[in-house]
Amino acid sequence: QKEVEQNSGPLSVPEGAIASLNCTYSDRGSQSFFWYRQYSGKSPELIMSIYSNGDKEDGRFTAQLNKASQYVSLLIRDSQPSDSATYLCAVGGSNDYKLSFGAGTTVTVRA
Amino acid sequence: KAGVTQTPRYLIKTRGQQVTLSCSPISGHRSVSWYQQTPGQGLQFLFEYFSETQRNKGNFPGRFSGRQFSNSRSEMNVSTLELGDSALYLCASSSRSEETQYFGPGTRLLVL
Repeated sequence: QKEVEQNSGPLSVPEGAIASLNCTYSDRGSQSFFWYRQYSGKSPELIMSIYSNGDKEDGRFTAQLNKASQYVSLLIRDSQPSDSATYLCAVGGSNDYKLSFGAGTTVTVRA
Repeated sequence: KAGVTQTPRYLIKTRGQQVTLSCSPISGHRSVSWYQQTPGQGLQFLFEYFSETQRNKGNFPGRFSGRQFSNSRSEMNVSTLELGDSALYLCASSSRSEETQYFGPGTRLLVL
């Protein structure tokens, strides 16, 4: 079983719609969770970090965490063509000083 | 604050050669992590350093090594390069490894 799994893509959404990205993780002791965005040929850039159960909103982005279900998600509201990228879910280990990344979900926003 | 910097940005080597990549973290950050990114394997953890100590190492052969200096700058070395080592090598820094990691632009290595 992979440590971090993301819903398979690619995901295509029309401009203005909501894009929903999901991620599950295997380490029940994990305490830190991150979403990164990576444009083609570029390095990952942080969108959101979340540490507590519930929702966290930042502009058009909302991260949701449910530690009991070992599930974290990212919603992108009012999707824009500039949101077209690969989104990476990353989970901090419970005591091993590393982030584990999912394979990423590629999102395409159609104008 | 200046971001994470990596040098060189691009590198072409031949099989059997060795390579050293450099990473300068964000000022004040003491944790530096290295990752390899390939289309087939995604982002894979190589190792993490904190205050000059390697605290964790991923599942890579011993040809991959690294070190961290007292100013938190880090280097990674790959010896006896293989074609499969062609990848984007990313460095990320954080104040602590479990905190938010900020990535540098990466070094794109091509092994011929």
